[in-house]
Amino acid sequence: GEDVEQSLFLSVREGDSSVINCTYTDSSSTYLYWYKQEPGAGLQLLTYIFSNMDMKQDQRLTVLLNKKDKHLSLRIADTQTGDSAIYFCAEKGGKLIFGQGTELSVKP
Amino acid sequence: DGGITQSPKYLFRKEGQNVTLSCEQNLNHDAMYWYRQDPGQGLRLIYYSQIVNDFQKGDIAEGYSVSREKKESFPLTVTSAQKNPTAFYLCASRHRGENTEAFFGQGTRLTVV
Repeated sequence: GEDVEQSLFLSVREGDSSVINCTYTDSSSTYLYWYKQEPGAGLQLLTYIFSNMDMKQDQRLTVLLNKKDKHLSLRIADTQTGDSAIYFCAEKGGKLIFGQGTELSVKP
Repeated sequence: DGGITQSPKYLFRKEGQNVTLSCEQNLNHDAMYWYRQDPGQGLRLIYYSQIVNDFQKGDIAEGYSVSREKKESFPLTVTSAQKNPTAFYLCASRHRGENTEAFFGQGTRLTVV
């Protein structure tokens, strides 16, 4: 079945780059997404990548997709304290399956 | 303003009582979803609906029920059969197209005492 896996925690210093990783199982996924969740709130879409792309850059965000290994990553350049949140990757099938979420903690 | 609204934000119920969580959207989205969020477990899919009058079980449907009588509304009932109902519940909606963003409500925190 469909499954999406992420590591649970990541801690970085302000100004460093953050890399959040995700693996998925459904090779038929056409789109993969990164969502951000602030404390006590819903999720907001950060960015997405189409499955025939290897990389997508959007300001401080870079998404890398290795379709062969079913591995997705989100790099945040110059990480700020306001980036502290939980980040979810998701794959689009009929169900819209999310990973467990990676809690990013940014220390000043 | 267009959006997706969950109510109430906080809900307290006694053990053994059924409770219904509201989710309404005015985005004209066909698909709607209910997720449960527990610490360290991310979002787990409870039920989803791709079209009015139709819905499917997600990964953890036991102890929950839904209805989709109107496009705008997808209420979730947490029944007394749900063994551990205390959690944060999130509703989402999206168009059914190939690449469409899912919009989330602000969530309902249910506490059963």
